[in-house]
Amino acid sequence: GNSVTQMEGPVTLSEEAFLTINCTYTATGYPSLFWYVQYPGEGLQLLLKATKADDKGSNKGFEATYRKETTSFHLEKGSVQVSDSAVYFCALSDRASYDKVIFGPGTSLSVIP
Amino acid sequence: GAVVSQHPSRVICKSGTSVKIECRSLDFQATTMFWYRQFPKQSLMLMATSNEGSKATYEQGVEKDKFLINHASLTLSTLTVTSAHPEDSSFYICSASRADNSPLHFGNGTRLTVT
Repeated sequence: GNSVTQMEGPVTLSEEAFLTINCTYTATGYPSLFWYVQYPGEGLQLLLKATKADDKGSNKGFEATYRKETTSFHLEKGSVQVSDSAVYFCALSDRASYDKVIFGPGTSLSVIP
Repeated sequence: GAVVSQHPSRVICKSGTSVKIECRSLDFQATTMFWYRQFPKQSLMLMATSNEGSKATYEQGVEKDKFLINHASLTLSTLTVTSAHPEDSSFYICSASRADNSPLHFGNGTRLTVT
């Protein structure tokens, strides 16, 4: 079945450091890929998405490229801020309708001043 | 933008009682709503898929008699945890799907504590 694997956290970075959170997936067909962010005490927010191979999703300085050959969708940001502290979930849906999203285990990020 | 409202945000109940959680789509009609459960420091696990006017589809291992889902309108789905026990304590999150095929919109979740 479909699944998502993420690097384990927690990840602690200093402000302005470079961030990479690795994500790989297993899926039949051509899934859509997502990164969701969950700030403390809140629900999930869609951070970015990519619907086909080689697409790059970007938002708020975060980027991720859909790599079909390596089945990966790594999240990157060049300079993190304290306000980026949150849990990040890589996810996929196996249909273009975005329904029934399958989530990775989440990676907790703490950015310290 | 589209907003999904979930209520209550926190609830504490005694063992054996039932708790109802509401999920509303505020500015769009949700053809499908999803209920997830999140254990501490773990990912979200899909519990069930709810379509307006029909019975919910439960994921394997989820007790449908324990977690009652009602999707009576295109803007409201409810999850009732019946005869709650301490092991039901968790963070429950709903999401809603629009007919225009846009990504899911999530509620802010409900922290349930059963004492």
